[in-house]
Amino acid sequence: QKEVEQNSGPLSVPEGAIASLNCTYSDRVSQSFFWYRQYSGKSPELIMSIYSNGDKEDGRFTAQLNKASQYVSLLIRDSQPSDSATYLCAVRGAGNNRKLIWGLGTSLAVNP
Amino acid sequence: ETGVTQTPRHLVMGMTNKKSLKCEQHLGHNAMYWYKQSAKKPLELMFVYSLEERVENNSVPSRFSPECPNSSHLFLHLHTLQPEDSALYLCASSLRRDQPQHFGDGTRLSIL
Repeated sequence: QKEVEQNSGPLSVPEGAIASLNCTYSDRVSQSFFWYRQYSGKSPELIMSIYSNGDKEDGRFTAQLNKASQYVSLLIRDSQPSDSATYLCAVRGAGNNRKLIWGLGTSLAVNP
Repeated sequence: ETGVTQTPRHLVMGMTNKKSLKCEQHLGHNAMYWYKQSAKKPLELMFVYSLEERVENNSVPSRFSPECPNSSHLFLHLHTLQPEDSALYLCASSLRRDQPQHFGDGTRLSIL
């Protein structure tokens, strides 16, 4: 069973629409959740971190965490072609298990 | 401009060569990481250093040898690599091990 799962996509949305990216995880006691953006041929770039249930907004990005259902999502409002990239979800366990577990990523294409 | 610098950006080597990858971070972080990124696989954590002490070695073959002479520099020494070692090697750093990680641009390694 994969520890962090993401739909590989590609997810295709028109410019200006809301892109919704989802991530589920298996470790119920996970404490920290991160979204990274990776452009083709580039390294991952941190765009959001979230630690408690609910929503966290930063500009056009909103991270949503639901620990009871073990999922974390990323919403991108007013999607732009420059948002086209692979979005990686990473989850860190609690206590001594502080290893960061990565998903495979979801490829997002924003069409002009 | 990234606070984590990796050199070289690209490396082609034969299976009998010895080479080293270098990583330098200018962020004042205390933890540094080596990752391997291959197509269709999640990011694979190879080594973790915290305050220059190796704290994780995730079953990495001995042909990969890390070195952390100080908290700002990290090396990955390569020897007798195999074709399946061709991948993007990413260095990352974080303030502490439980903090978000920041990545360098990576070294694209090709083994002939």
